[in-house]
Amino acid sequence: SQQGEEDPQALSIQEGENATMNCSYKTSINNLQWYRQNSGRGLVHLILIRSNEREKHSGRLRVTLDTSKKSSSLLITASRAADTASYFCATDNYGQNFVFGPGTRLSVLP
Amino acid sequence: GAVVSQHPSWVICKSGTSVKIECRSLDFQATTMFWYRQFPKQSLMLMATSNEGSKATYEQGVEKDKFLINHASLTLSTLTVTSAHPEDSSFYICSARDHLGVVDTGELFFGEGSRLTVL
Repeated sequence: SQQGEEDPQALSIQEGENATMNCSYKTSINNLQWYRQNSGRGLVHLILIRSNEREKHSGRLRVTLDTSKKSSSLLITASRAADTASYFCATDNYGQNFVFGPGTRLSVLP
Repeated sequence: GAVVSQHPSWVICKSGTSVKIECRSLDFQATTMFWYRQFPKQSLMLMATSNEGSKATYEQGVEKDKFLINHASLTLSTLTVTSAHPEDSSFYICSARDHLGVVDTGELFFGEGSRLTVL
């Protein structure tokens, strides 16, 4: 069963703007990961944040994790048309399985 | 990053036939692989966890006899959709974890997916 919930489900922005996606989950986790999926393709790992971390950066990506609120956010700065994709958060249940949220479909308009 | 190869990328079959999808970890050993199913514009639904050398663990609601999973080696897991029907048409994606000795990076590596269409 899914435990992650992302919002918004769809987001449309102009190139150069920032995009923020949120993810909430229900149970305790070992880590939370964000993935990207282009239409009809497999998933690409973006960033992993462990339960004892609060913020992580990778290039134009910034991820936060609030374990007290069981939520995470993914910020993409200075978005590009090539960032258009679906973004999923996935919670790692101590290695037993990964549960994906419903995803956010991001459209970056040129 | 590590590479997971999935084959075939797409397959069309007649109703009642069986289809096998392969998932290979090309440059690492994967004691655990995961099989997901994804409907259009929806998220990934975990079907089963495949463990090398042992039986797969299926998620609730997934028919074991319908979706046969074999993980005979550290680099190969297969999913066989038996007696496929049109409702089995979907995008199937496998993933694997790179267990670097005792250090598990935690990252999942995904295959490119297999699109199954059952006529």
